Amino acid sequence: RKEVEQDPGPFNVPEGATVAFNCTYSNSASQSFFWYRQDCRKEPKLLMSVYSSGNEDGRFTAQLNRASQYISLLIRDSKLSDSATYLCVVNGRALTFGSGTRLQVQP
Amino acid sequence: DAGVTQSPTHLIKTRGQQVTLRCSPKSGHDTVSWYQQALGQGPQFIFQYYEEEERQRGNFPDRFSGHQFPNYSSELNVNALLLGDSALYLCASSTPTGGGETQYFGPGTRLLVL
Repeated sequence: RKEVEQDPGPFNVPEGATVAFNCTYSNSASQSFFWYRQDCRKEPKLLMSVYSSGNEDGRFTAQLNRASQYISLLIRDSKLSDSATYLCVVNGRALTFGSGTRLQVQP
Repeated sequence: DAGVTQSPTHLIKTRGQQVTLRCSPKSGHDTVSWYQQALGQGPQFIFQYYEEEERQRGNFPDRFSGHQFPNYSSELNVNALLLGDSALYLCASSTPTGGGETQYFGPGTRLLVL
């Protein structure tokens, strides 16, 4: 079983749609959680950290459920520029990445 | 404010050769981590350097080694290259805040082994 599992997608959605990504992790000792975004042939960039209380940054909302070892990312009002791969990341001894979920927002 | 820089950007080697990749961390960062990203996969942690020593290591063979210099820059060395070593090699820098630190990635080095 992978330490961090994500649905690989792709998710093809129209502009303006709401899309949700899910992620599960296996190491209950994990300390911190993130979503990174990676554009094609570019490096990953931090999108947002994820807290148990949930956090929001504009159109993006992240949630963490420690009991279920589950992380989610919600994107509202999708833009063409949101098209990218979204990586779920868990920090235990080191950053552990999921394989990513590809999002394609279509006009 | 200079971000994380890596060199070279692209590299082609043949099986059995050795390669050295270089990374300069973001200004103010003293911790450097290296990752390998195969096509279609997420980055895999190779190792992390702090105070010129390897602090943590992922599940990579001893063919992968590294070094950190007093100015915090770092090198990744891979010996006896295999076809499967073809990947994007990413360097990330951070400050050691005891876990949960944000890591900033460089643009990566694309290695192709023929």
